[in-house]
Amino acid sequence: AQSVTQLGSHVSVSEGALVLLRCNYSSSVPPYLFWYVQYPNQGLQLLLKYTTGATLVKGINGFEAEFKKSETSFHLTKPSAHMSDAAEYFCAVTVTYGQNFVFGPGTRLSVLP
Amino acid sequence: DVKVTQSSRYLVKRTGEKVFLECVQDMDHENMFWYRQDPGLGLRLIYFSYDVKMKEKGDIPEGYSVSREKKERFSLILESASTNQTSMYLCASIKGVEPSNEQFFGPGTRLTVL
Repeated sequence: AQSVTQLGSHVSVSEGALVLLRCNYSSSVPPYLFWYVQYPNQGLQLLLKYTTGATLVKGINGFEAEFKKSETSFHLTKPSAHMSDAAEYFCAVTVTYGQNFVFGPGTRLSVLP
Repeated sequence: DVKVTQSSRYLVKRTGEKVFLECVQDMDHENMFWYRQDPGLGLRLIYFSYDVKMKEKGDIPEGYSVSREKKERFSLILESASTNQTSMYLCASIKGVEPSNEQFFGPGTRLTVL
């Protein structure tokens, strides 16, 4: 069975600083990996995903993530945080659809002026 | 613009009441899901459906049932609401069987059971 861990339930950064949100997964077969963002009082929306091919994936709003198989990681980064990035971020893994779509516990990002 | 809608944003019910949460998607997606979201636990799958009248249990189905009479509509039913079912409920849909496909989420229903 797959699982996802996200280090840090709450991360604070200053506006303009680097954003790094950590995600580690476990899977016995090649995974598909996702980052979703949830703004206050909204549902989740896809930031980016890794399926196959290039291990550095670019998403919306300047975010990117790198799949590192040797480290079983899929960390999310953004070079310069903006106030509008304040939200909750979820990492997810799947190998097939349905019950194998597993979400991490989420990391709340705060951006300080 | 693709859309998943949920019937209520906020709902307050009393213990023992029967509760219906409705979800509608306009993307002609085959697969639909109900999750509950709790702080520190992320999203946990309650039930999903891959076709009309079909349903499969997720990780936490106890105390819930579902109905899918039409392709676009997936209902979550709490037969007898309890306080431990106070949570945020999210509906999602996905097209086809490719595991790389994106799930589209509704805005959520925040349910409080008193």
